[in-house]
Amino acid sequence: DARVTQTPRHKVTEMGQEVTMRCQPILGHNTVFWYRQTMMQGLELLAYFRNRAPLDDSGMPKDRFSAEMPDATLATLKIQPSEPRDSAVYFCASALSDRSNEKLFFGSGTQLSVL
Amino acid sequence: GNSVTQMEGPVTLSEEAFLTINCTYTATGYPSLFWYVQYPGEGLQLLLKATKADDKGSNKGFEATYRKETTSFHLEKGSVQVSDSAVYFCALRLNSGYSTLTFGKGTMLLVSP
Repeated sequence: DARVTQTPRHKVTEMGQEVTMRCQPILGHNTVFWYRQTMMQGLELLAYFRNRAPLDDSGMPKDRFSAEMPDATLATLKIQPSEPRDSAVYFCASALSDRSNEKLFFGSGTQLSVL
Repeated sequence: GNSVTQMEGPVTLSEEAFLTINCTYTATGYPSLFWYVQYPGEGLQLLLKATKADDKGSNKGFEATYRKETTSFHLEKGSVQVSDSAVYFCALRLNSGYSTLTFGKGTMLLVSP
């Protein structure tokens, strides 16, 4: 079964440390999304890429967050420096997008705890 | 802007009970509507979708009908099982051009034996 792979599954770190989350999208998918899930805000779109180009990162705090796709098989989300309010589950999703149809496939998420 | 409003959970039901999870939306254009489900410890999965008014999406015994007149897309199932316990997300996506999904906050369903 093709699936989106996220690493690590869990991350506990101290405030001020750098956090890097990785995502391997499904082979052949051309769109990658990063979402953050919290109890208070629900699912928030942080950034997304199409054909490796960033299309929208307006949902991401620019001063500490950065998202990249070094190649078609890897997407990264970095937080530097991390803060306790960044504690959340971060999901990567991929899709084969065209104008008429888009089904997202989600990874299992990275549960981040910043102490 | 675009937004999705779902009933707050948790919804607690006994096995074989009837389920309704309400979802209403506002959209700046013509949307497609979706229900995603998140099982414990997993990412979201597409459950069903409807792309135009009066369409009914269905999957695994779940159904939802796209009601343009009431801007609603309520999720229903006639007889829930313990294995249906999960968080359910209603979402919309505009049909014009490339656009992203707008999700509701999710509704947790707990089904007891």
